[in-house]
Amino acid sequence: DTAVSQTPKYLVTQMGNDKSIKCEQNLGHDTMYWYKQDSKKFLKIMFSYNNKELIINETVPNRFSPKSPDKAHLNLHINSLELGDSAVYFCASSSSGGNYGYTFGSGTRLTVV
Amino acid sequence: AQTVTQSQPEMSVQEAETVTLSCTYDTSESDYYLFWYKQPPSRQMILVIRQEAYKQQNATENRFSVNFQKAAKSFSLKISDSQLGDAAMYFCAYRDMRFGAGTRLTVKP
Repeated sequence: DTAVSQTPKYLVTQMGNDKSIKCEQNLGHDTMYWYKQDSKKFLKIMFSYNNKELIINETVPNRFSPKSPDKAHLNLHINSLELGDSAVYFCASSSSGGNYGYTFGSGTRLTVV
Repeated sequence: AQTVTQSQPEMSVQEAETVTLSCTYDTSESDYYLFWYKQPPSRQMILVIRQEAYKQQNATENRFSVNFQKAAKSFSLKISDSQLGDAAMYFCAYRDMRFGAGTRLTVKP
């Protein structure tokens, strides 16, 4: 049983397209996150949702929009993709405010050409 | 905002030897949690070890242990009896998941 699953694992698309990445967790966690890992491996938090409510929204372009239909799902939609959006995007989840750490999905490598 | 600093971009260790990865952080909070994550070439992020700031005792998980110095805001990871499978990027993280820039660990046979 996969605890945090992301789809797709790889995504290659052209500039200007719109794409979505889906994330689901079966751990019963109350908080979910999206992270971006750039080519230098630097990890930066993008969004955080707690029980479907947005609690962290770091400075990211408004082309990125998270959507949480329920506390087990957090999807990431990206409009008008740009070359600089190429990165690995990780979904993660936690309980107890993250005090026990996060469980990560396996990541989605997005390549914009 | 809390910052997490890993000053060693790369480290190398001989198989079966011990290596220590450094991490410092900045916070005004007195109660918090710190983590080390491992990211092997598979890119999966794996929680290695966790430390609660109010506990003076250093956390240990098998061959992995930490040296937590609260006053110095230092949180280093020691890997004993290094194995080839330990080769990975290692990230230090603060409770709210601010990550350091990572240290790439190479294990030489």
